[in-house]
Amino acid sequence: RKEVEQDPGPFNVPEGATVAFNCTYSNSASQSFFWYRQDCRKEPKLLMSVYSSGNEDGRFTAQLNRASQYISLLIRDSKLSDSATYLCVVNKRSGAGSYQLTFGKGTKLSVIP
Amino acid sequence: EAQVTQNPRYLITVTGKKLTVTCSQNMNHEYMSWYRQDPGLGLRQIYYSMNVEVTDKGDVPEGYKVSRKEKRNFPLILESPSPNQTSLYFCASRSRIGGTEQYFGPGTRLTVT
Repeated sequence: RKEVEQDPGPFNVPEGATVAFNCTYSNSASQSFFWYRQDCRKEPKLLMSVYSSGNEDGRFTAQLNRASQYISLLIRDSKLSDSATYLCVVNKRSGAGSYQLTFGKGTKLSVIP
Repeated sequence: EAQVTQNPRYLITVTGKKLTVTCSQNMNHEYMSWYRQDPGLGLRQIYYSMNVEVTDKGDVPEGYKVSRKEKRNFPLILESPSPNQTSLYFCASRSRIGGTEQYFGPGTRLTVT
């Protein structure tokens, strides 16, 4: 099983739609979880952290299920500007007090007018 | 402004001609790393550094070298570039504290002919 697995998409959705992305991770020792957004040919940028209790930031909601080793991102009322690739990122302790980030390959979203 | 800078942003070179891609961060981060991104393969870590004079191999270190003589700088060296090193390269930095945001540079698009 890959360390961090995502459906690559593409997800093509109309403006205003609700879309959900899922991500699974294999290492149960994983400590922290994030969603990053990457626009075409640009650097990834943090979208939001994912907390155990779930968290919301405007139209974006992130959920974590540690028992199933599963993370989700929900985008409501999609905008054209949401078109991007969404990367699931998992942070685990790697010894000597350090942490390693593992990136999923990303899910591509295209919001269509 | 907190940022990671990389130079050059674009580079076309020939097989075997040594090159260096510079990376600098102004956030006093302990942890820096280099990634390459290729279609269908996602972000793959080349090398990382947990602090000055401490570097370690990532997932795809072959053909690359790094050094960390100062906290802010982490250059990537290709001693003898080959066409299979044609890729989009990102430098990144973050605090050593787990759960914190990783900042990426704008990327360097390298073509080796």
